[in-house]
Amino acid sequence: DARVTQTPRHKVTEMGQEVTMRCQPILGHNTVFWYRQTMMQGLELLAYFRNRAPLDDSGMPKDRFSAEMPDATLATLKIQPSEPRDSAVYFCASGPPGGRETQYFGPGTRLLVL
Amino acid sequence: GESVGLHLPTLSVQEGDNSIINCAYSNSASDYFIWYKQESGKGPQFIIDIRSNMDKRQGQRVTVLLNKTVKHLSLQIAATQPGDSAVYFCAENINTGFQKLVFGTGTRLLVSP
Repeated sequence: DARVTQTPRHKVTEMGQEVTMRCQPILGHNTVFWYRQTMMQGLELLAYFRNRAPLDDSGMPKDRFSAEMPDATLATLKIQPSEPRDSAVYFCASGPPGGRETQYFGPGTRLLVL
Repeated sequence: GESVGLHLPTLSVQEGDNSIINCAYSNSASDYFIWYKQESGKGPQFIIDIRSNMDKRQGQRVTVLLNKTVKHLSLQIAATQPGDSAVYFCAENINTGFQKLVFGTGTRLLVSP
């Protein structure tokens, strides 16, 4: 049963610390998405990759957030320095090649910045 | 700006009843829609999708209806079960060549035994 995996599942850190979240997309999928979910804002798209190239990161605060895909099996989202307002659940999703098919979500990383 | 389903209502039903969850989308150029189910502590899970050249699509116990005239999408769940309790999101995609989805704020479904 192919699934998107994310690590860590939970992260508690102090303001100012660097946070790195990792995602392994479903094998064969060529699109990767990072979302942030909060009660106030709902699901927000942060970044979107296709074939490891960033296509849209307009939803991501550029001064502190960065997203990369070092290879086809790993996507990372970093926050440096972290702030309390970054506390949220961060989801990674992947999609198969070939068009506008659905996205498959991972279980999320629950981040709390104190 | 883009928006899909701005409110988070709660729908409470009894087990065995049929449920209807509604979603209003704002972009008339959207031509692909998905319903997701999100259980507590989990990521959104794909339920069913529909393209704009259709007005109805059925799955197992679920039916999605699309009314492009009034920009309205609905999800019908037949014989609702306690395991259906979750937040349901609709999402839309504009045919720009990108797979970017815009999500609504969701509807919470509570099923009582």
